[in-house]
Amino acid sequence: GQQVMQIPQYQHVQEGEDFTTYCNSSTTLSNIQWYKQRPGGHPVFLIQLVKSGEVKKQKRLTFQFGEAKKNSSLHITATQTTDVGTYFCAGPGAGGGNKLTFGTGTQLKVEL
Amino acid sequence: KAGVTQTPRYLIKTRGQQVTLSCSPISGHRSVSWYQQTPGQGLQFLFEYFSETQRNKGNFPGRFSGRQFSNSRSEMNVSTLELGDSALYLCASSSTNWDNEQFFGPGTRLTVL
Repeated sequence: GQQVMQIPQYQHVQEGEDFTTYCNSSTTLSNIQWYKQRPGGHPVFLIQLVKSGEVKKQKRLTFQFGEAKKNSSLHITATQTTDVGTYFCAGPGAGGGNKLTFGTGTQLKVEL
Repeated sequence: KAGVTQTPRYLIKTRGQQVTLSCSPISGHRSVSWYQQTPGQGLQFLFEYFSETQRNKGNFPGRFSGRQFSNSRSEMNVSTLELGDSALYLCASSSTNWDNEQFFGPGTRLTVL
């Protein structure tokens, strides 16, 4: 079945350092979504990418969708303590609708 | 608009019991999906309902079931609970019926003893 993997699983950074998480799907995706889950919280939608090679920015966050639409990345510039949490990518699951197959997630910890 | 609400927030049950969890989507959202989140398996899709019809189902045993009411509120039921059912159960709603952003509720933390 469809698998979505993310690396790294964990990342500790010093505040101000950059951070990148990579997402790889076993199948081609029509689109990819990114979510952030704070400790003790629930996933919160960040962005959706649809086009091959698409790059979108949200302040210090840069999202990219691969040319083959099988991989994606999230880059955070100059991390802050508010960036702490787990970042998930998610692709459409088999069967359609709003089903999402979530990646394994990257847990980010930011130290002062 | 009020967000997605889930009740109860915490639940403790024993093996063999059954449990019903409730989800109220954002007003106007007709799609409701359920996910199970565990440290070992991550976020896994359970099922999705749209306009009272189950549109999609994940790879979970038949002990997991759900339904949606005419006001879009949804319930999921787990019968004959097992220790491995301990998890955070998340409900998500969406304003459209395809490939749209999901708004998650705070979840129900189920502990099976």
